[in-house]
Amino acid sequence: GAGVSQSPSNKVTEKGKDVELRCDPISGHTALYWYRQRLGQGLEFLIYFQGNSAPDKSGLPSDRFSAERTGESVSTLTIQRTQQEDSAVYLCASSLAMTPGELFFGEGSRLTVL
Amino acid sequence: DQQVKQNSPSLSVQEGRISILNCDYTNSMFDYFLWYKKYPAEGPTFLISISSIKDKNEDGRFTVFLNKSAKHLSLHIVPSQPGDSAVYFCAAKGSTLGRLYFGRGTQLTVWP
Repeated sequence: GAGVSQSPSNKVTEKGKDVELRCDPISGHTALYWYRQRLGQGLEFLIYFQGNSAPDKSGLPSDRFSAERTGESVSTLTIQRTQQEDSAVYLCASSLAMTPGELFFGEGSRLTVL
Repeated sequence: DQQVKQNSPSLSVQEGRISILNCDYTNSMFDYFLWYKKYPAEGPTFLISISSIKDKNEDGRFTVFLNKSAKHLSLHIVPSQPGDSAVYFCAAKGSTLGRLYFGRGTQLTVWP
């Protein structure tokens, strides 16, 4: 597809379970971001990948959160031992290196932790 | 630490009038600023940007103004239309800072 693709679009899980969210960026985009948006809140930065540089993980809220990216393609965000406060929409975005601020967002993965 | 601040969580404007959304930033290393628009259940979409070498950028009904000395930018929408009703996020980036920093957003409602 032409845009950023995220899966699953919706995920309901029980507290304590692990979840994995996937992001397929636009082909050729070297930068990839993960954000989350809790209900009624703004965009919370989680992690940023840029090419082969070390990722900026400064936004990950705890060691239960991790993310990987394979080269300049797919990224997965993993949340271990989910908690109710992890419930949010998780947004992935990608951008070209020459237009680093102009992000293309996916539609998000809505996570509900019961 | 919120380096990009949108102090008005909401704004209500009548159709045809001007909408002015404001944004302040604290980091003097920021040199590129953007506005994103977000509809419910969709990802944000890029709207307009401005480089720090300019003080104004216009695209149709949308104009962004940058006041570097005040560390302030604003988005003007004129005339406002009901379809403009959305959450608007201000964002900033520095060429040496890596990632993009977002504000918390302002919900714009344009009523007929």
